[in-house]
Amino acid sequence: GAVVSQHPSRVICKSGTSVKIECRSLDFQATTMFWYRQFPKQSLMLMATSNEGSKATYEQGVEKDKFLINHASLTLSTLTVTSAHPEDSSFYICSASGLGDALNSPLHFGNGTRLTVT
Amino acid sequence: RKEVEQDPGPFNVPEGATVAFNCTYSNSASQSFFWYRQDCRKEPKLLMSVYSSGNEDGRFTAQLNRASQYISLLIRDSKLSDSATYLCVVNKDSSASKIIFGSGTRLSIRP
Repeated sequence: GAVVSQHPSRVICKSGTSVKIECRSLDFQATTMFWYRQFPKQSLMLMATSNEGSKATYEQGVEKDKFLINHASLTLSTLTVTSAHPEDSSFYICSASGLGDALNSPLHFGNGTRLTVT
Repeated sequence: RKEVEQDPGPFNVPEGATVAFNCTYSNSASQSFFWYRQDCRKEPKLLMSVYSSGNEDGRFTAQLNRASQYISLLIRDSKLSDSATYLCVVNKDSSASKIIFGSGTRLSIRP
């Protein structure tokens, strides 16, 4: 099946630094990638949707200047958390849909990145 | 009202029991429905899609009721390994980008 690789799986950084998370589709072309955030005991919340070669669409309440998303190719999207603060500590998960995926196709998820900001 | 609502649980049932969860959705235009399973600190994994006619996969049965706008998941002969959080996922409209996750139902199977 379709594989989505996310890296790193875990990162600890100091407050004020920036962290980049990569999401790669390994065996298919991901025309659309989604970035989610999940706080403990809560569900996944969609942060933004990115289409290859165009600007990401952010959900209400998500600061686009703080969470920079780049989807420069059909196999790679990156999320950069800029000037991270402890409240940004969370589980970040990407997912992707590819060319030819029907609307009722399930998403392919990366294995997530646990970010801890100290 | 939340777009997708689930009973958070936790459901604590003995091994071998049958357990059922419901999930309601608010948008009648929703197109597709899924149940995902999420283990602690892991990404969600697709358990099964939910079809209008209902579908079964081994011990798992999913049903969709469009009139009442809910989907259900039935687990028979539950195993210890079924302990997880079960997420109801609804495609909000005809756009693939509007997939909404329920907050999840926690299931714990005891020996």
